Amino acid sequence: DQQVKQNSPSLSVQEGRISILNCDYTNSMFDYFLWYKKYPAEGPTFLISISSIKDKNEDGRFTVFLNKSAKHLSLHIVPSQPGDSAVYFCAAFRIRGTSYGKLTFGQGTILTVHP
Amino acid sequence: DGGITQSPKYLFRKEGQNVTLSCEQNLNHDAMYWYRQDPGQGLRLIYYSQIVNDFQKGDIAEGYSVSREKKESFPLTVTSAQKNPTAFYLCASRQSYGYTFGSGTRLTVV
Repeated sequence: DQQVKQNSPSLSVQEGRISILNCDYTNSMFDYFLWYKKYPAEGPTFLISISSIKDKNEDGRFTVFLNKSAKHLSLHIVPSQPGDSAVYFCAAFRIRGTSYGKLTFGQGTILTVHP
Repeated sequence: DGGITQSPKYLFRKEGQNVTLSCEQNLNHDAMYWYRQDPGQGLRLIYYSQIVNDFQKGDIAEGYSVSREKKESFPLTVTSAQKNPTAFYLCASRQSYGYTFGSGTRLTVV
């Protein structure tokens, strides 16, 4: 049961343009959503998060949008830079219940930003 | 600086041998987690621990064991019962809504 899905395995974008990474989820009980960036053979690096009670959170070039009715979130990177090239993971967790704090990850999207 | 240390970065073992992966944190976080990453897949939860001397199975616990005798340490043992142990293993800790990940251990079984 894949509760968090990233349906695009890869995305290719020109430097300076917008990158939009998408994520869908099925569990309406998730309270927090996070985006991580990961390079091969390294641990994930936290990028940005959003609470389920908000619909937008912005941090510099990164903005996350949450559409609860559609159970969909997206990460916008503007402007995209070649250093943004990495695998991006969407993750979610609950802050209540027996599985609280447990992160559920999507499969990841490989972002390539061309100079 | 506070953080999570996973060692070694690369580990090679013969098939049929048990191997223990180290995870140490000095962040004073209560909760710790072990995830596994395979090519083309997201991170999957193996085991987690909310407090010392307590731990729970994650989604893919078969063939693995853990202990949590100290708050700072959460070692993972990959046993010979794990059918496909070759993977990238990540340890994480959490306090409130903030997760911190280690840099991972690449285990290769030959």
